[in-house]
Amino acid sequence: IQLTQSPSSLSASVGDRVTITCRTGQGMSSYLAWYQQKPGKAPKLLIYAAYTLQIGVPSRFSGSGSGTDFTLTISSLQPDDFATYYCQRLNGYPSFGQGTRLEIK
Amino acid sequence: DGQLVESGGGLVTPGGSLRLSCAASGFSLRSFNMNWVRQAPGKGLEWVSSISSRSTDLLYADSVKGRFTISRDNAENLLYLEMNSLRAEDTAVYYCARHYFDSSGHGLDIWGQGTTVTVSS
Repeated sequence: IQLTQSPSSLSASVGDRVTITCRTGQGMSSYLAWYQQKPGKAPKLLIYAAYTLQIGVPSRFSGSGSGTDFTLTISSLQPDDFATYYCQRLNGYPSFGQGTRLEIK
Repeated sequence: DGQLVESGGGLVTPGGSLRLSCAASGFSLRSFNMNWVRQAPGKGLEWVSSISSRSTDLLYADSVKGRFTISRDNAENLLYLEMNSLRAEDTAVYYCARHYFDSSGHGLDIWGQGTTVTVSS
């Protein structure tokens, strides 16, 4: 089952609120995770089980959604947040969304 | 917390083979399912394979099924990916990642730094 992540890219400014969407095609909130990846680095787990913030991740990151539609929200963008974000489904045959590249406007 | 370190990547000609290793430290590998994830140059993340804690369940992406084999040695805290019949499209950075779960749900919480595999003549 494919994950559909949108938008594929996004330009925003420091202090902006941004939202990234992931459509899973199957209800599975406990198996839905969000990652941040910076160039040349391994992905970093931000949120798992759709809403649970990983230890050490700033509270400006949050996850929401239910059923087949989930969102990652960054409440107030900081300079360190400009990166690529991926959703992932971990049940069955795991798969990743296509990624959202968050760039500075 | 814990750390994963991959090794074994390199340059290989099409049709060749490589064996990747992933060494775990700071936690016992036997307690966790493990995954391999790859990223082709300039592309997104692609899940490759996963193995349950006692090696009873092995899963592969269609793109590698029949060519790659995942395995583990819990006593040595090592995870492996044997890659055969390599193709140019297998060129990527390969990451190993730990599958964490608790009462809330699941996520890949520890990742290695990645090892680069280049398939080219």
